[in-house]
Amino acid sequence: EVQLVESGGGLAQPGGSLRLSCAVSGFTFSTYWMGWVRQGPGKGLEWVANIKQDGSEKYYVDSVKGRFTISRDNTKNSLYLQLNSLRAEDTAVYYCARGQPASYNGVLTGFCDAFDSWGQGTVVTVSS
Amino acid sequence: DIQMTQSPSSVSASVGDRVTITCRASHGINNWLAWYQQKPGKAPKLLIYTVSSLQSGVPSRFSGSGSGTEFTLTISSLQPEDFATYYCQQAGSFPITFGQGTRLENK
Repeated sequence: EVQLVESGGGLAQPGGSLRLSCAVSGFTFSTYWMGWVRQGPGKGLEWVANIKQDGSEKYYVDSVKGRFTISRDNTKNSLYLQLNSLRAEDTAVYYCARGQPASYNGVLTGFCDAFDSWGQGTVVTVSS
Repeated sequence: DIQMTQSPSSVSASVGDRVTITCRASHGINNWLAWYQQKPGKAPKLLIYTVSSLQSGVPSRFSGSGSGTEFTLTISSLQPEDFATYYCQQAGSFPITFGQGTRLENK
C-alpha cells in the first residue's frame, strides 16, 4: 500500500523557519517525481514545488522561490521542504504528493502529469 | 503562468443528477489536465488525468473531456458520496496551477 506521511508542521513566527518531512512507503520512491502542494485556510490548492527522481531538477511557485527548498533522500525514502523567511500567507496545510509519470502515445515523457497519491497533510501556522 | 478558471464556483444538485464542471486554461496545455475531488479535512483524490483517463478505482460515472483550452468533468449520475469540491490542474508547464475549485452541494 502506498503511504505518504508528513511531519514537521507547527507554529512559527514571521521570518522563522520550519522543515517539513514526508516519509513514504509502498513504492519505489527513487523512480517518482515528488511534490508539495499547500492549501490555506478556506482556500484552494496551490502547488509549491516539484523535484525530479534524482533531485537534479527542482521547480517552485514564484511566491516561495528563494525562501523554500525542496529536497529528497532516496536512501531514506523521504522528501523534505525547508521553509525559511516565513510569512503569514504561508499558513496552510502542506501536502506531500507523488507525481504520476506522464506518457504521450505510450512513451514516458520524463515528467509527471498529476499527483496520484497524497499524504494526510501537516499544518503550518505563521503568526507572532 | 497558465491560469485555470473553473465554472461554476459552486453548484447545487440532487442524487441522480448529471453534473458538468468546466475548466478553462489561459493558454494551451497539451492536454495535461487532471481533475481531483476533495472532501472536507481530507487530501485531494485524483479522478482523471490527461483530460479523459480514469484513475484506477474511480467509478465510471466520472468522465473527462475537452481539448485545447476548454475541459469538462462530468458526473453522469450523482451519488451521495460525490458531494465535495472539485479542482482541475494543469501540468503543461511550470508552475503547475490549479483551478479555484467547484463546490458541489446537495440541493
